[in-house]
Amino acid sequence: DAKTTQPPSMDCAEGRAANLPCNHSTISGNEYVYWYRQIHSQGPQYIIHGLKNNETNEMASLIITEDRKSSTLILPHATLRDTAVYYCIVPINDYKLSFGAGTTVTVRA
Amino acid sequence: GAGVSQSPSNKVTEKGKDVELRCDPISGHTALYWYRQSLGQGLEFLIYFQGNSAPDKSGLPSDRFSAERTGGSVSTLTIQRTQQEDSAVYLCASSAPWGLANEKLFFGSGTQLSVL
Repeated sequence: DAKTTQPPSMDCAEGRAANLPCNHSTISGNEYVYWYRQIHSQGPQYIIHGLKNNETNEMASLIITEDRKSSTLILPHATLRDTAVYYCIVPINDYKLSFGAGTTVTVRA
Repeated sequence: GAGVSQSPSNKVTEKGKDVELRCDPISGHTALYWYRQSLGQGLEFLIYFQGNSAPDKSGLPSDRFSAERTGGSVSTLTIQRTQQEDSAVYLCASSAPWGLANEKLFFGSGTQLSVL
């Protein structure tokens, strides 16, 4: 029952920017887009979230299109430690996140 | 503590035994969640607590699964008469009470349950 679509996998060179796309064409006007990541054998970790404006924090930037039907998570300088599964999520309701398959990102030296 | 704490980190049990998994959320977080993750799979929602009540138990797979929360803090997930298909990582998360409109979940490291 995920509301988002992501590519299953992508590779990135260490030190380069990683751009992770996500489609959420059925998003409604008051729904946020969340990004989490899960490094192997750990619990998911919050990265960033946004409503309509672009957002940036110490981990990443989130670019949301004007129609809000898609977004891109940008890791500006990928490191080997950024290798993880990245989840793009639109909450099902005001308390539940549905984690789909995500995008497996492999950062290569 | 600074984060969500789960114990034990690993649990090996025999088929048919009961197990209890514990979660200590971040202090002050009134919302608490249990998820399950089977090997190579995504996260499966199990149950949501707001305070001590569980308004959404829809993800519990069968009546062998139950959860409680006391004092608005610690939660215990109990699995009775464990089966091999219960083997998975059980993840707990907590968040502040304002709902996911503008809030985030903090996850523990999980309990790896292996049913032999």
